[in-house]
Amino acid sequence: NAGVMQNPRHLVRRRGQEARLRCSPMKGHSHVYWYRQLPEEGLKFMVYLQKENIIDESGMPKERFSAEFPKEGPSILRIQQVVRGDSAAYFCASSPLRTSGRGRTDTQYFGPGTRLTVL
Amino acid sequence: DAKTTQPTSMDCAEGRAANLPCNHSTISGNEYVYWYRQIHSQGPQYIIHGLKNNETNEMASLIITEDRKSSTLILPHATLRDTAVYYCIVRVATGNAGNMLTFGGGTRLMVKP
Repeated sequence: NAGVMQNPRHLVRRRGQEARLRCSPMKGHSHVYWYRQLPEEGLKFMVYLQKENIIDESGMPKERFSAEFPKEGPSILRIQQVVRGDSAAYFCASSPLRTSGRGRTDTQYFGPGTRLTVL
Repeated sequence: DAKTTQPTSMDCAEGRAANLPCNHSTISGNEYVYWYRQIHSQGPQYIIHGLKNNETNEMASLIITEDRKSSTLILPHATLRDTAVYYCIVRVATGNAGNMLTFGGGTRLMVKP
């Protein structure tokens, strides 16, 4: 059972270009989360998506950033007109969102991340 | 979600048990305690979680105090590969709200030979 997959693992862009980061959740998972880790900082939540729906985008920058999770295919985090401050590691996580006898448990499992460098 | 407090760093001798504490004195009744770790710059790795009972899996044990205000993650026989930053996260377990994980500074565990 493959884990969460992200590609590319490393991405280099020049200022003003677009960056597209892809995330394929674990098999059977229909919930995807994106987090960003700036150099020497902790992970920060960006957005939570279910298939074809954005559930919570409270951590997304208001401009240039967008995310989608189509019915078919991977989730995409898109950054338009990148700036040097966008250089970071971007992690995707997925969860099954199930209910157990202990209440709902929806453990998130993370991918290896995409390291974006903006020149 | 409730805030957690962890020591910034800890050392542990290889082969010994590593006991990582976490304080979460404002935890609510419907909040779980989750532990993740991040080895170097890899993606965070899920370790274990619990509500009020102690939990054990192949990686670690989680001991939660009776009042649920603190917990301890135990790695029974630490190896060099357990060197990582360990995050204790308290998280609401119901509804769509609060689905995010809020990562604090974590504890940097250094396992030494």
